[in-house]
Amino acid sequence: GENVEQHPSTLSVQEGDSAVIKCTYSDSASNYFPWYKQELGKRPQLIIDIRSNVGEKKDQRIAVTLNKTAKHFSLHITETQPEDSAVYFCAAPNTGGFKTIFGAGTRLFVKA
Amino acid sequence: GAGVSQSPRYKVAKRGQDVALRCDPISGHVSLFWYQQALGQGPEFLTYFQNEAQLDKSGLPSDRFFAERPEGSVSTLKIQRTQQEDSAVYLCASSLLTATNEKLFFGSGTQLSVL
Repeated sequence: GENVEQHPSTLSVQEGDSAVIKCTYSDSASNYFPWYKQELGKRPQLIIDIRSNVGEKKDQRIAVTLNKTAKHFSLHITETQPEDSAVYFCAAPNTGGFKTIFGAGTRLFVKA
Repeated sequence: GAGVSQSPRYKVAKRGQDVALRCDPISGHVSLFWYQQALGQGPEFLTYFQNEAQLDKSGLPSDRFFAERPEGSVSTLKIQRTQQEDSAVYLCASSLLTATNEKLFFGSGTQLSVL
């Protein structure tokens, strides 16, 4: 079945620095890759997503890149701010059904 | 409503007790999902509804878990004879899109603790 690996599990950066989180997936038929942000005790929120027919998508300080050949995609956050501190989850669909497979999450700490 | 609403926010159950968790999706959202999130982990899929039809229940961990959405709006996840391993946050998500898991809006979840 589909498997999604996410790295690193914890990431600590200084305010203003960039942060990169990487994910790999196993189902070559996957065609949609969302990223969710979950603050402590709160709901996961979709922050950006990308389809398999594009290689990169940007929205202000966040961007996602996709390498279909290598089956990996990455989240890039530039000019990090303390409010970016949260757990970030990548995900990929299981093309055999309706489930979304989530990575284990990356806890990002942005130090002021 | 403005977002996906779940109740109760917290539920403490004694082992062996039955529980029912409620989800009110965003009005007009056809797709509804239930996920289970263990502490420090990503959400894990339980089941999917398109309107009132349960199209995928492959993630339900045992026959103690049952979900319904009889009128294609509100959904209830029921867990019978709860066990300690059922302790987790149960998340509901809805989407305007059909037959897809894209653009999910999550509720705040129900944190279930089984003692």
